[in-house]
Amino acid sequence: DTAVSQTPKYLVTQMGNDKSIKCEQNLGHDTMYWYKQDSKKFLKIMFSYNNKELIINETVPNRFSPKSPDKAHLNLHINSLELGDSAVYFCASSTLGTNYGYTFGSGTRLTVV
Amino acid sequence: AQSVTQLDSHVSVSEGTPVLLRCNYSSSYSPSLFWYVQHPNKGLQLLLKYTSAATLVKGINGFEAEFKKSETSFHLTKPSAHMSDAAEYFCVVSDRGNTGKLIFGQGTTLQVKP
Repeated sequence: DTAVSQTPKYLVTQMGNDKSIKCEQNLGHDTMYWYKQDSKKFLKIMFSYNNKELIINETVPNRFSPKSPDKAHLNLHINSLELGDSAVYFCASSTLGTNYGYTFGSGTRLTVV
Repeated sequence: AQSVTQLDSHVSVSEGTPVLLRCNYSSSYSPSLFWYVQHPNKGLQLLLKYTSAATLVKGINGFEAEFKKSETSFHLTKPSAHMSDAAEYFCVVSDRGNTGKLIFGQGTTLQVKP
């Protein structure tokens, strides 16, 4: 029973395409996050949703649009993919206010060619 | 603003010797602090966390960390390294406010030599 699952695990696509990454958690957490890990392994938050409400929206190009249909799901849609979007994208979840830390998914490695 | 600095980008130890991964933090309030580990091509796993209870925190796989407010440090240690400890380690601080945002350090690559 995977706690935070992301699909797909690998994604190779051409510049200019539109792609989506899906994330689901079965932990009963109320908050979900998207982080981007660059080639130097630096992790930076992109978005966060709490009970379907957007609470964190960092400086991210408009081509990136998150959607949370319910508190167990958080998807990331990327339009007009660019070479610089190549990275590993991690989904995570937590219960807000508990400071227990996140549970992470296994990541989606996006390669734009 | 909250931040963390991992003082070593790469640490190499021999199997069976102690591990020390150094982390300093900057925070305008009493933060929560975490260490996460990332094995090659894997997700991130929580090793341990400090949330204003005991300053010496024990985690999984024999790791522990000590919160030292006077030194603004949260160094990660293990008495005896194992080959399976080779991975990337991240020191993490909670951001101020009730958003759950975590701020990651740059990471330290731990190499364990036989």
